[in-house]
Amino acid sequence: QVQLQESGPGVVKPSGTLSLTCAVSGVSSGTFYWWSWVRQSPGKGLEWIGEIYHDGSATHNPSLRSRINMSVDKSQSQLSLTLTSVTAADTAVYYCARVGAVSRPPYFDSWGQGTLVTVSS
Amino acid sequence: DIQMTQSPSTLSASVGDRVTITCRASQSISNWLAWYQQKPGKAPKLLIYKAATLESGVPSRFSGSGSETEFTLTISSLQPDDFATYYCQQYDSYPANFGPGTKVDIQ
Repeated sequence: QVQLQESGPGVVKPSGTLSLTCAVSGVSSGTFYWWSWVRQSPGKGLEWIGEIYHDGSATHNPSLRSRINMSVDKSQSQLSLTLTSVTAADTAVYYCARVGAVSRPPYFDSWGQGTLVTVSS
Repeated sequence: DIQMTQSPSTLSASVGDRVTITCRASQSISNWLAWYQQKPGKAPKLLIYKAATLESGVPSRFSGSGSETEFTLTISSLQPDDFATYYCQQYDSYPANFGPGTKVDIQ
């Protein structure tokens, strides 16, 4: 059973860069998935950020595309997300998630527990 | 972008009640719809995908129906563990997006 766990800085200064990682375990060798990032804020609800495949192929939400960079290691054991030029509007709980049944666009069948990122000086 | 709406926003019910939540899409999404349950401080949990397919391990009291632009999530007999917020999500086209949620609380 796949497990995901996010980690991050907790607080990021305005105009700074948010960097998160997601540790993935339980993925069978030779089985490949798409992986996504989703965030949740009181003001905007749940928002899909983007998705990435083990080979580095990626799709981003157009609302965030110019500020996002995602990566995944070839063993699918770690995902990374960076978001540049953050503002208070980027304050949210950030989740990593596995895409269900290689569905594209994605739905999400496994989630991490989430990590809260607050943008504040 | 496809916009998702849900009704009601809050629903008060009792254990044993039959509960129905409606989700509407701003344009046809065929049956590319998922439902999630979220409890406070926890991640969303997938309940249903492809509008009506129950995720493995999800109790059979949950069911989904609908197509095109109108969908429903039904809980046939509400249990204490079901008090939570429920979200629909379309995955017909990018960007995948979610409804605003329906909170089911205790009457």
